Amino acid sequence: GEDVEQSLFLSVREGDSSVINCTYTDSSSTYLYWYKQEPGAGLQLLTYIFSNMDMKQDQRLTVLLNKKDKHLSLRIADTQTGDSAIYFCAENPGGYNKLIFGAGTRLAVHP
Amino acid sequence: GAGVSQTPSNKVTEKGKYVELRCDPISGHTALYWYRQRLGQGLEFLIYFQGNSAPDKSGLPSDRFSAERTGESVSTLTIQRTQQEDSAVYLCASSLDHPTAQYFGPGTRLTVL
Repeated sequence: GEDVEQSLFLSVREGDSSVINCTYTDSSSTYLYWYKQEPGAGLQLLTYIFSNMDMKQDQRLTVLLNKKDKHLSLRIADTQTGDSAIYFCAENPGGYNKLIFGAGTRLAVHP
Repeated sequence: GAGVSQTPSNKVTEKGKYVELRCDPISGHTALYWYRQRLGQGLEFLIYFQGNSAPDKSGLPSDRFSAERTGESVSTLTIQRTQQEDSAVYLCASSLDHPTAQYFGPGTRLTVL
């Protein structure tokens, strides 16, 4: 079946690195995504990784993909208070455009 | 350019009523999606339109839900005989014919009393 799981909450100190983890079930997904949702705002695509890649780096963001274990992670370096938001992991089962989302991880950044 | 817009931003209705939610996708985007987000939960896929192909309706929760799209422009999601469990934020997204980037609108918050 289609299921994406994430831990619900993560708290980090400002300046530290944050690592948000996600597991997915459909090995036919061609892309894995990370979206960010800030309070009162819509979803913003943060980054995505093609399924044949192991890692993708984009400024402070690093995405790691372990396809064997169906595990995806998002690392945010030098976490800032502006990074406080809910982060959603998503997959596209069968390689189609429909996305299956996790329940989201709420990241809280404290001084 | 303009992003995805949705109207209304908020809708409060009574149980049993009919509601219509509207989505204006980004111009030129051939694909359009509707999702539902219940409080504290992730997004739940509802329906997907791609050009003139038959829509993927596999996520619609019941026959009270339906959606239409005119060509590659506006889409409306309708809910008949609304129930309290329909209360959620309904999000619309659009993309070019490529799965890498879906752009989301701000959503319509539906409250069924």
